[in-house]
Amino acid sequence: EAGVTQFPSHSVIEKGQTVTLRCDPISGHDNLYWYRRVMGKEIKFLLHFVKESKQDESGMPNNRFLAERTGGTYSTLKVQPAELEDSGVYFCASSPLSSGGRVQFFGPGTRLTVL
Amino acid sequence: GQQLNQSPQSMFIQEGEDVSMNCTSSSIFNTWLWYKQEPGEGPVLLIALYKAGELTSNGRLTAQFGITRKDSFLNISASIPSDVGIYFCAGRKLTGNQFYFGTGTSLTVIP
Repeated sequence: EAGVTQFPSHSVIEKGQTVTLRCDPISGHDNLYWYRRVMGKEIKFLLHFVKESKQDESGMPNNRFLAERTGGTYSTLKVQPAELEDSGVYFCASSPLSSGGRVQFFGPGTRLTVL
Repeated sequence: GQQLNQSPQSMFIQEGEDVSMNCTSSSIFNTWLWYKQEPGEGPVLLIALYKAGELTSNGRLTAQFGITRKDSFLNISASIPSDVGIYFCAGRKLTGNQFYFGTGTSLTVIP
């Protein structure tokens, strides 16, 4: 069974540009989460999808971040326009509904660098 | 926002030594998880704890859910070079699905 995959693995962009990150959860996992880790800090929750619906987006930093999960399969996280403080590693995680979100499987992350 | 205090921030130990790290919170959690992240990979779940006082082992790893429900610790016995990585604790409150993560403990094992 394939794990959570994320694309790209690295992205280097300039301030003001737009970047879109993609996450493909484990097949059949209805829960999908986005997290971010800024260098040296904790992994912070961004938002949670159940299928295509946003269950909790309380962790989204501001309206420059837009997450979508059309069709309830893969998800995208767009940052527009990117700022320097958006640099960090963006993780996606998924879990089956039956687990109640207790066990989350993480992807390898996308390392975003904003110059 | 909620913050977990995880310590130590980093550890440099000799192969064969035991390791201990912990997380504390000002809030009560009903779930504690411990993850390990290796370079280029995402965090991988090591141990999950669901009840206060629970002590769970996974090979050389042992974790406990504190009685106060505000802390948890992870022990690694007889460390080996492949234990190298960043260890994260994560906790979830009774209400809500969100997990709060610690800042991580970077472990280096010297052969």
